[in-house]
Amino acid sequence: ETGVTQTPRHLVMGMTNKKSLKCEQHLGHNAMYWYKQSAKKPLELMFVYNFKEQTENNSVPSRFSPECPNSSHLFLHLHTLQPEDSALYLCASSDGTFGNQPQHFGDGTRLSIL
Amino acid sequence: LAKTTQPISMDSYEGQEVNITCSHNNIATNDYITWYQQFPSQGPRFIIQGYKTKVTNEVASLFIPADRKSSTLSLPRVSLSDTAVYYCLVGEENQGGKLIFGQGTELSVKP
Repeated sequence: ETGVTQTPRHLVMGMTNKKSLKCEQHLGHNAMYWYKQSAKKPLELMFVYNFKEQTENNSVPSRFSPECPNSSHLFLHLHTLQPEDSALYLCASSDGTFGNQPQHFGDGTRLSIL
Repeated sequence: LAKTTQPISMDSYEGQEVNITCSHNNIATNDYITWYQQFPSQGPRFIIQGYKTKVTNEVASLFIPADRKSSTLSLPRVSLSDTAVYYCLVGEENQGGKLIFGQGTELSVKP
C-alpha cells in the first residue's frame, strides 16, 4: 500500500473511445504527476500539478487531457488514442515539487489500445 | 538535470551483498541523489536519498564519494524478492518535480 490508488488497473479501449483514468492519494500531498511507461522504456513525465495548478506539460498530445479538481485527485481523460499509446500509466504524488521530495507512485493503469 | 549512467543488468545470488554504482559526472552543487526500485507492473518505490558521504536506512545504504561524481547503492544480503529494476536519479531542489528516469539496472537474484 503506497497511499496512491489508481483505477482501473487494466483498461482496453478502441481508438474512438473516450475513457478516464483516476488517481487518488491519501498522503496529504499537494503535488501530483502523470507518467507514461512503455514496454522496455524509461518512465516519461507527462504532467505536473502543484496545488491543483498545472505546472508542467511535457509536450503531451492533446488526446491526453489531465484534470486536477483538488490536491487529492487527478484524472487523465483519454480520447481518440493511437496504438502507440498502449503503456503503463503511473500516477505519483509528493509533498511539494522540490526535487529532493520523494515521489510516491501508484501501481498504474495498464492501457491497451485496439 | 544531470545525466546518470548505470549498468543495464546485474546478477546475484541470495544472501549476497549487491552494490550498484551510478555515474553522474555533471552533478551540480545543489543536486541530490535518489534511488528508486520498481517491480514488474508496479510503480517505482523510493529507496534512499543522499547528498554526500553515507546514508543508511532499514533497506539499503548509499555511499557517495567526496567528488559526488558517482554513488553506490548497497543492498545487504539480497533475497529473491529484491529482483527488480533500480533507478538512480540526480536532481536539484528547484526542478519543479521533474524526475528524469534512465533505463535503470535490472537486478536478478537467483537461489
